[in-house]
Amino acid sequence: EDQVTQSPEALRLQEGESSSLNCSYTVSGLRGLFWYRQDPGKGPEFLFTLYSAGEEKEKERLKATLTKKESFLHITAPKPEDSATYLCAVQAVGTASKLTFGTGTRLQVTL
Amino acid sequence: DGGITQSPKYLFRKEGQNVTLSCEQNLNHDAMYWYRQDPGQGLRLIYYSQIVNDFQKGDIAEGYSVSREKKESFPLTVTSAQKNPTAFYLCASRPQGLRTEAFFGQGTRLTVV
Repeated sequence: EDQVTQSPEALRLQEGESSSLNCSYTVSGLRGLFWYRQDPGKGPEFLFTLYSAGEEKEKERLKATLTKKESFLHITAPKPEDSATYLCAVQAVGTASKLTFGTGTRLQVTL
Repeated sequence: DGGITQSPKYLFRKEGQNVTLSCEQNLNHDAMYWYRQDPGQGLRLIYYSQIVNDFQKGDIAEGYSVSREKKESFPLTVTSAQKNPTAFYLCASRPQGLRTEAFFGQGTRLTVV
């Protein structure tokens, strides 16, 4: 069974204090790993897709990396507007188009 | 603007009643999904459809039903058999292809009163 574990559950940072969120996964074969951002009461917003170990993608203050067992979302010099829940999801080979999500990391960035 | 529209945003239902949540997309995506989100839990897959007139059960399909009569529409019915229906429901769609991402609607919050 595909599993996705995200840590920490919650993270509080001061503005400018860089950190990383972790997404560990267990799948029979990885087709893709997805990062989303979700604001309270809203639908998730797509951030990145990673397909193979060693791949990295960047967008503004966010950088996503992938190994064979986990992915990291690095947040550099965060701002209060980066506060949100960050969700990780995987699609396994042979699972049609099914996505399996982790429980997310709630990030709060304070002044 | 292309996107996924869920309606209504808030829905109240009495116990024992069925209710249908709407999801429409104009992105011309083949696959559509319904997820349920509860506090402190990740998104759990209810049903998904890869093509018109075909759909598959997800991990928590009991007490729910769907139809896919048109490519752009994938309504979800929460039946009286669903024991804990109060939740945040999210619809998503995805284009065909191995390396594509899913796009989400803004959700419907269902409360059973």
